[in-house]
Amino acid sequence: NAGVTQTPKFQVLKTGQSMTLQCAQDMNHEYMSWYRQDPGMGLRLIHYSVGAGITDQGEVPNGYNVSRSTTEDFPLRLLSAAPSQTSVYFCASSYVSGPPNAQYFGPGTRLTVL
Amino acid sequence: GDSVTQMEGPVTLSEEAFLTINCTYTATGYPSLFWYVQYPGEGLQLLLKATKADDKGSNKGFEATYRKETTSFHLEKGSVQVSDSAVYFCARVQNSGGSNYKLTFGKGTLLTVNP
Repeated sequence: NAGVTQTPKFQVLKTGQSMTLQCAQDMNHEYMSWYRQDPGMGLRLIHYSVGAGITDQGEVPNGYNVSRSTTEDFPLRLLSAAPSQTSVYFCASSYVSGPPNAQYFGPGTRLTVL
Repeated sequence: GDSVTQMEGPVTLSEEAFLTINCTYTATGYPSLFWYVQYPGEGLQLLLKATKADDKGSNKGFEATYRKETTSFHLEKGSVQVSDSAVYFCARVQNSGGSNYKLTFGKGTLLTVNP
């Protein structure tokens, strides 16, 4: 299993540009989520999904869009990039059924918005 | 709301020193508790977990005990190594209704171990 994969690893955008961060998992996990990590802030949940066709907002959803058309993929779209979105983005996945399970994290995408 | 508070870093220790990183959580319901570790330039990895009161999670010499009476889940290791240098995150997950599990993280504690 490849686990959770994210592309790209690094990205530089100009203010106002749009882009999509890709996330895929091959563990048949129902739950997928996106976090951003900023110094001194820990990880903050942006959006999450409990299955194909179902998404919901996390703690900091503004400026981001998600969709979940398949179990495997959960892309994160930045609609109009702003410098405040400079961060490291992590995708994670886990099973939903049964007791709460640990999440598996991807390696991250480091995004800089100029 | 649900929250996790962990000790602020950075923590700097010498090799073979004893490590404690404190973590407390808000006591709504019965969350599962986790410690994750992030090595430089990598994503988070699960270090250990505990799913009910008095459970002890352990892995790679690290231990943490789920203490319901003090709402704590402190991370300990008897003898740290240089390779333990990383950022450690305490986290809780609670079923917030139906199948909506949300993971809440502390802000992370940077540990540096010197030879």
